[in-house]
Amino acid sequence: SQQGEEDPQALSIQEGENATMNCSYKTSINNLQWYRQNSGRGLVHLILIRSNEREKHSGRLRVTLDTSKKSSSLLITASRAADTASYFCATERMDSSYKLIFGSGTRLLVRP
Amino acid sequence: ETGVTQTPRHLVMGMTNKKSLKCEQHLGHNAMYWYKQSAKKPLELMFVYSLEERVENNSVPSRFSPECPNSSHLFLHLHTLQPEDSALYLCASSREEQGYEQYFGPGTRLTVT
Repeated sequence: SQQGEEDPQALSIQEGENATMNCSYKTSINNLQWYRQNSGRGLVHLILIRSNEREKHSGRLRVTLDTSKKSSSLLITASRAADTASYFCATERMDSSYKLIFGSGTRLLVRP
Repeated sequence: ETGVTQTPRHLVMGMTNKKSLKCEQHLGHNAMYWYKQSAKKPLELMFVYSLEERVENNSVPSRFSPECPNSSHLFLHLHTLQPEDSALYLCASSREEQGYEQYFGPGTRLTVT
């Protein structure tokens, strides 16, 4: 069964607006990671948040983690057209080494 | 782009062909991965190598055969593929196989005819 599920599946916003994407998972995790993928290209790592952390920032990105609700959110502030991409959460489960389980992703479109 | 290179970038092969995908990482990492990304499906982990030893094989059909001659190079040998194997194949590496972010190559777009 799917470990990480992103919500929404697709998001369209105007440049300058904030974009929020959510991720839910089912089992206990060591960490949760967010990645970005431009169409047909490799994934780019954005942020890793460990299970004992609640919030992390990197530039215009803010990630929160709520282990009691088994959920995470990615906030992109002051979005730009270049932020248009698919965003994936990936979880490293406590009961399974070596594996990152990816969700299906959120497709973000930032309109100029 | 990210210190992980993949060749070729595009590959078209018939079902009876044998071909190989190559991945090289220049990051000094100890773990390397093969993923398959099909349309409308989540990224699927295929193989994991840690210090050149395979530590994970996710029930991948034997027509896919990985090889890791050293910690910087990873190959995926392809033989007698099916049209449903057409996908984007991504290689990734990380410092260790657990607890670290992964760095991805640009992928090989494979089409099986």
